[in-house]
Amino acid sequence: GAGVSQSPSNKVTEKGKDVELRCDPISGHTALYWYRQSLGQGLEFLIYFQGNSAPDKSGLPSDRFSAERTGGSVSTLTIQRTQQEDSAVYLCASSFRSRHGHTEAFFGQGTRLTVV
Amino acid sequence: AQRVTQPEKLLSVFKGAPVELKCNYSYSGSPELFWYVQYSRQRLQLLLRHISRESIKGFTADLNKGETSFHLKKPFAQEEDSAMYYCALGVTGGGNKLTFGTGTQLKVEL
Repeated sequence: GAGVSQSPSNKVTEKGKDVELRCDPISGHTALYWYRQSLGQGLEFLIYFQGNSAPDKSGLPSDRFSAERTGGSVSTLTIQRTQQEDSAVYLCASSFRSRHGHTEAFFGQGTRLTVV
Repeated sequence: AQRVTQPEKLLSVFKGAPVELKCNYSYSGSPELFWYVQYSRQRLQLLLRHISRESIKGFTADLNKGETSFHLKKPFAQEEDSAMYYCALGVTGGGNKLTFGTGTQLKVEL
């Protein structure tokens, strides 16, 4: 597609279950980012990929959170043993750096995760 | 390490009043600065970038390297400007990461 696509758009899960959130970035974008947006809060950085590697995963809140990216494209954010405080909108973005500088970051529509 | 600070979580102004959303950054190299906006129920999208030096929807932002600031300004706020605004910094090293501030919610009241 033309934009960043995230799936599912909504996810309701029971406390203690594992969830996987998927992000399809724009084709050719080498950088991919995951953020979390809690109710009434700003963007909380989670992890950044350049290609398939993650030079910065400092924002992952606990070892229950992990992410991977394969083929320099699709990324999956996995949350194990979900807790109620994990409820938030998870945003993915991708961007590209040309020799002229950064392009803008394009954001997906987000996955709204609700842990009950 | 690079850092972006948006000191105001919420800014409330009346329609027609001037608006200034503050952004300060920390980076020792040559920065690229951006402002992103998220309107209600819409995706985050780029508003403007300092390289372009353009005015979008009446908003402007000037990069002040001496003060390491990139404040967003508009002389007369409109109701439709109510949104969440994020300042972002692009760097040449460190894997070319974009770093975002925590955002400022702008509320324009009638």
